[in-house]
Amino acid sequence: GAGVSQTPSNKVTEKGKYVELRCDPISGHTALYWYRQSLGQGPEFLIYFQGTGAADDSGLPNDRFFAVRPEGSVSTLKIQRTERGDSAVYLCASSLEASLPNEQFFGPGTRLTVL
Amino acid sequence: AQSVTQLGSHVSVSEGALVLLRCNYSSSVPPYLFWYVQYPNQGLQLLLKYTSAATLVKGINGFEAEFKKSETSFHLTKPSAHMSDAAEYFCAVSDRGTGNQFYFGTGTSLTVIP
Repeated sequence: GAGVSQTPSNKVTEKGKYVELRCDPISGHTALYWYRQSLGQGPEFLIYFQGTGAADDSGLPNDRFFAVRPEGSVSTLKIQRTERGDSAVYLCASSLEASLPNEQFFGPGTRLTVL
Repeated sequence: AQSVTQLGSHVSVSEGALVLLRCNYSSSVPPYLFWYVQYPNQGLQLLLKYTSAATLVKGINGFEAEFKKSETSFHLTKPSAHMSDAAEYFCAVSDRGTGNQFYFGTGTSLTVIP
């Protein structure tokens, strides 16, 4: 079956611009996670959704970052007034539900470059 | 919050040699533990996970890991390295009671020398 997909695969933008990154989870997975992976680092948790609601957004670095999942499936990570430090690979993962110890299935990521 | 330490950002082994990638966690309560592999331009793929059943966990592609509470470790091993094992490996932990987000180590890049 289809895995987690993310679009676009690459995004180049200019400092100060607004970007949206999309994640399509595996069908039937109720939990969805966003991570950010900087060069040479492991993925860093940003936010996770259980259904439509953000269950934990403690990893969002500041209020320029926002994510939604209005229908409990597709999620969009939104970054306002992008900064060069936002450049990273943004990973999305999904799992059957948020209760442990369910495996998280990861998408290929969106590589964001802020010039 | 949990933290994970992966000793050795780069490991090189000869084809056919033992692979040992180290992972230590910081927690007084044993967490759930995972190993993921990342091939170039691909997403993270689960190798194996520890969820408090057997302490020796077998995963895909011949990998296994042993949970050692006394050492707070979850090292990844494979008896004989293949060229196809060259990739980035990440150890991750998740708290049992506070949510399902993973905390990842900084990764170990494995090179297999022919």
